[in-house]
Amino acid sequence: RKEVEQDPGPFNVPEGATVAFNCTYSNSASQSFFWYRQDCRKEPKLLMSVYSSGNEDGRFTAQLNRASQYISLLIRDSKLSDSATYLCVVTLAGNNRKLIWGLGTSLAVNP
Amino acid sequence: DAGVIQSPRHEVTEMGQEVTLRCKPISGHDYLFWYRQTMMRGLELLIYFNNNVPIDDSGMPEDRFSAKMPNASFSTLKIQPSEPRDSAVYFCASSILAGGLQETQYFGPGTRLLVL
Repeated sequence: RKEVEQDPGPFNVPEGATVAFNCTYSNSASQSFFWYRQDCRKEPKLLMSVYSSGNEDGRFTAQLNRASQYISLLIRDSKLSDSATYLCVVTLAGNNRKLIWGLGTSLAVNP
Repeated sequence: DAGVIQSPRHEVTEMGQEVTLRCKPISGHDYLFWYRQTMMRGLELLIYFNNNVPIDDSGMPEDRFSAKMPNASFSTLKIQPSEPRDSAVYFCASSILAGGLQETQYFGPGTRLLVL
């Protein structure tokens, strides 16, 4: 089983739609959680960290469920510019430098 | 402020040749990471340095791969000899310790390597 699993998609949604991605992780000792965004043929960039209490940044909401070992990302009022691959990332307790990456979920927002 | 700089951006070489990838981290960052990305395996951490010292190289696939960081502003990843299965995008990233908290890793644009 992969350490971090994501539905690869692609998710095809119309502009303005709300879309949600889930990610599961296998190691209960995972300590920190992130969502990165990667545009086609570009480098990954941090979208947001995921905190235990859940957090929101504009149209983006991230949630963490430690009991079930999953992380979610909700995008409201999706824009064409949201089209990208969203990468779920975790670190293990004791080494927050070593990021463990999911394969990513592809999102295409259509006009 | 310049981000992470990588060179070359593209490299096409023949099997058996030596390949050297270069990275200049963001000035002041004390961590440097080398990653490899493929469709099948996604992003994999190869090695990372702290203050120019290799900390974890457990992701380096085999002895054909080596990495150095002679100073705070330069690192290389070398593959010798290269093989077709090394074809991938290689990213360099850097970060800075921020009060012991997890900090953002900033990625360079990557080097697209094709080994024929």
